[in-house]
Amino acid sequence: AQSVTQPDIHITVSEGASLELRCNYSYGATPYLFWYVQSPGQGLQLLLKYFSGDTLVQGIKGFEAEFKRSQSSFNLRKPSVHWSDAAEYFCAVGLNTGFQKLVFGTGTRLLVSP
Amino acid sequence: EAGVTQFPSHSVIEKGQTVTLRCDPISGHDNLYWYRRVMGKEIKFLLHFVKESKQDESGMPNNRFLAERTGGTYSTLKVQPAELEDSGVYFCASSQVRGGSIEKLFFGSGTQLSVL
Repeated sequence: AQSVTQPDIHITVSEGASLELRCNYSYGATPYLFWYVQSPGQGLQLLLKYFSGDTLVQGIKGFEAEFKRSQSSFNLRKPSVHWSDAAEYFCAVGLNTGFQKLVFGTGTRLLVSP
Repeated sequence: EAGVTQFPSHSVIEKGQTVTLRCDPISGHDNLYWYRRVMGKEIKFLLHFVKESKQDESGMPNNRFLAERTGGTYSTLKVQPAELEDSGVYFCASSQVRGGSIEKLFFGSGTQLSVL
């Protein structure tokens, strides 16, 4: 069965420091991969997605993610974190069934310290 | 353009009661989805509407849950009778129909359901 693992439940980084959130997936075919962010009181917002092509994808708010097939990973990165990045981040895999049925990870809550 | 709207934002009910959650998708979006996150676990797919038809309801946990989308506009998700394990955040999402390709989902901010 398809699954997504986000091993870090909480991560705290200092403002201005770099960030990497880990995501591993289990899926038999070529996956469609997503990162979503949920800020307090807000809905899930799409940060970026990978469907095919260049394995390094750029997203909104200065985020990027790299698809590594050999490691079944799709880690999210940002070179310099801002206090407004504090939120919960979800990695998801989209099943190639012709519509958007996403399998999510358990999420990583990012705390940003001054 | 208005986003996906869900209400109520919070609902607290007692075990055995009935609760109805509502989702208004973005105007013109034929695809509508319900997802649920229980107690800090992963967000799980519940079901998918295309217009008023249920395309996939494989994620519905049991027959206490009933989803409708009359007229292909807004959708309701009724839980009757509610149990303690139904507590969680219920998300709705919508998207436009674009053949068989996966497109961007627009999520609502969710309904926090607490069953006491």
